[in-house]
Amino acid sequence: AQRVTQPEKLLSVFKGAPVELKCNYSYSGSPELFWYVQYSRQRLQLLLRHISRESIKGFTADLNKGETSFHLKKPFAQEEDSAMYYCALTYYGQNFVFGPGTRLSVLP
Amino acid sequence: NAGVTQTPKFRILKIGQSMTLQCTQDMNHNYMYWYRQDPGMGLKLIYYSVGAGITDKGEVPNGYNVSRSTTEDFPLRLELAAPSQTSVYFCASSYSGTQYFGPGTRLLVL
Repeated sequence: AQRVTQPEKLLSVFKGAPVELKCNYSYSGSPELFWYVQYSRQRLQLLLRHISRESIKGFTADLNKGETSFHLKKPFAQEEDSAMYYCALTYYGQNFVFGPGTRLSVLP
Repeated sequence: NAGVTQTPKFRILKIGQSMTLQCTQDMNHNYMYWYRQDPGMGLKLIYYSVGAGITDKGEVPNGYNVSRSTTEDFPLRLELAAPSQTSVYFCASSYSGTQYFGPGTRLLVL
């Protein structure tokens, strides 16, 4: 079955430090991977998707098919990055599976 | 463009009561979804729809019903509310593989 895991419920880093939010998935086919973010009092929104290979708000994520991972990285964390981050995969273009989420707290 | 809207924002129900959570999108998306999010957990898919008149069960459909008479609306019905249905409910639509979420409805069943 398709599954997304995010091992850290809470990740705290200091402002300016690098941050990496881990995501692993299980899917036998070729999934499409996403990161969604939920800032305080805002709705869930797309942060980035692996096929676009973009850097959004300084975040990047590389799909590693060998390790079935899609970790989210940022070299220098900012306080405004504090939020809940969800890794998700989609298959057949319409079915989505979300991970449990990681709360990132960037300390001043 | 309002995107995906949900009503109500918050509701308290007594056990056994029924209610409908409303979801509307104005982006003309064919795909729509209902999720629930329990504390500390990820999103779990309740039902989804690939177009008007077509709905299908997700991972946790028991205790819920949906309908999709128009492209815009995708209401979620709880017939006999139970404490286990206390959760935050998110509606979403999707296009080209990206999901667009509503603000959520917080439901408390006592």
